[in-house]
Amino acid sequence: AQKITQTQPGMFVQEKEAVTLDCTYDTSDPSYGLFWYKQPSSGEMIFLIYQGSYDQQNATEGRYSLNFQKARKSANLVISASQLGDSAMYFCAMRESLTTSGTYKYIFGTGTRLKVLA
Amino acid sequence: DAGITQSPRHKVTETGTPVTLRCHQTENHRYMYWYRQDPGHGLRLIHYSYGVKDTDKGEVSDGYSVSRSKTEDFLLTLESATSSQTSVYFCAIRRAKITDTQYFGPGTRLTVL
Repeated sequence: AQKITQTQPGMFVQEKEAVTLDCTYDTSDPSYGLFWYKQPSSGEMIFLIYQGSYDQQNATEGRYSLNFQKARKSANLVISASQLGDSAMYFCAMRESLTTSGTYKYIFGTGTRLKVLA
Repeated sequence: DAGITQSPRHKVTETGTPVTLRCHQTENHRYMYWYRQDPGHGLRLIHYSYGVKDTDKGEVSDGYSVSRSKTEDFLLTLESATSSQTSVYFCAIRRAKITDTQYFGPGTRLTVL
């Protein structure tokens, strides 16, 4: 079973509008973390936002917010007031514990390609 | 900027040749990772390191080996490159603070002919 699922391969949004990128996850680890990364056409992976499993409030970073619904196991990224520079691939990722080695495992979704239209 | 560099940034090689990719970090992070990125697969973990000389396999480790003789350098070797190893390779560090966020290097595009 997929541990991180991004069901939208591609999306379009009009400039200045808000857009939601979906991410659902599956884990039995009670202490996990959720991340969103942006990958522009230049190829680098840019960290955007983090949500811990015990965080009571949704994370926000500037125009980015994470809509965390723990019971539904969803961690959707909301980008407000879209800009042309937001056109990129967006990856959802989860950190969970590896009990055998005491370290963490990071699992990535397959990504959503966002195109912002002028 | 997490101070991570990768070399080379681009490489074209032939099937059967050995290839070594280098990841260098300047912030003394303990944990380092190698991923490959392929269309439709996101990022998949190849190997990771949790200290000098301490490494372990990820989900797609066949055909790859790693070494970490210094904290700042994590090397990925393709022992005998195959066309299926054509990919973009990313190195990452884990910044061990509250969120344990991974930060990535710029990537290496490898083509195996």
